[in-house]
Amino acid sequence: AQRVTQPEKLLSVFKGAPVELKCNYSYSGSPELFWYVQYSRQRLQLLLRHISRESIKGFTADLNKGETSFHLKKPFAQEEDSAMYYCALSGGASGTYKYIFGTGTRLKVLA
Amino acid sequence: EPEVTQTPSHQVTQMGQEVILRCVPISNHLYFYWYRQILGQKVEFLVSFYNNEISEKSEIFDDQFSVERPDGSNFTLKIRSTKLEDSAMYFCASRFAGYNSPLHFGNGTRLTVT
Repeated sequence: AQRVTQPEKLLSVFKGAPVELKCNYSYSGSPELFWYVQYSRQRLQLLLRHISRESIKGFTADLNKGETSFHLKKPFAQEEDSAMYYCALSGGASGTYKYIFGTGTRLKVLA
Repeated sequence: EPEVTQTPSHQVTQMGQEVILRCVPISNHLYFYWYRQILGQKVEFLVSFYNNEISEKSEIFDDQFSVERPDGSNFTLKIRSTKLEDSAMYFCASRFAGYNSPLHFGNGTRLTVT
């Protein structure tokens, strides 16, 4: 079964500190992994996806198939990073249409 | 940049009433979705829609729910007889073709069933 686990509901860090938001997944095929961000009172927005191997707003995420993880990292947190972060999985080329979301982690960056 | 739009932003209804939540997906997108988020809980998949039919649905999406694309632009979610536990934020999303294309979300409709 598809599953996405984000073990932390809340993560508080000080401005300038490194951030790591954890995401583990369970999927039998080759999934596509995404990170979405939801700023206060705004829509869910795509932050990055593993296939692009890009860095957005200083965030990166590496897919580790051995550990079935897709942790989101940023070396120096900024106050404007405070938001809800959701890890999501889709079935990729296997044909499943649904995208499964984790429970989300609220990141609070303290001044 | 084109966006998914949802109306209304907030809907209050009485238990047992029918509600229709409306969405206008991005115009060249081919896959359409409804998700819901009960306050404080995860974003849950309800249904996906492609080529004018449901492609996948979750256990939540029972006979009380239906979706429709009545014309070339709108995508609606109907709840026939609302229950208190249907109170949630409902998000519409769409995506382009391609198995790794990301979902684009609307701002959501907050449904309150009293």
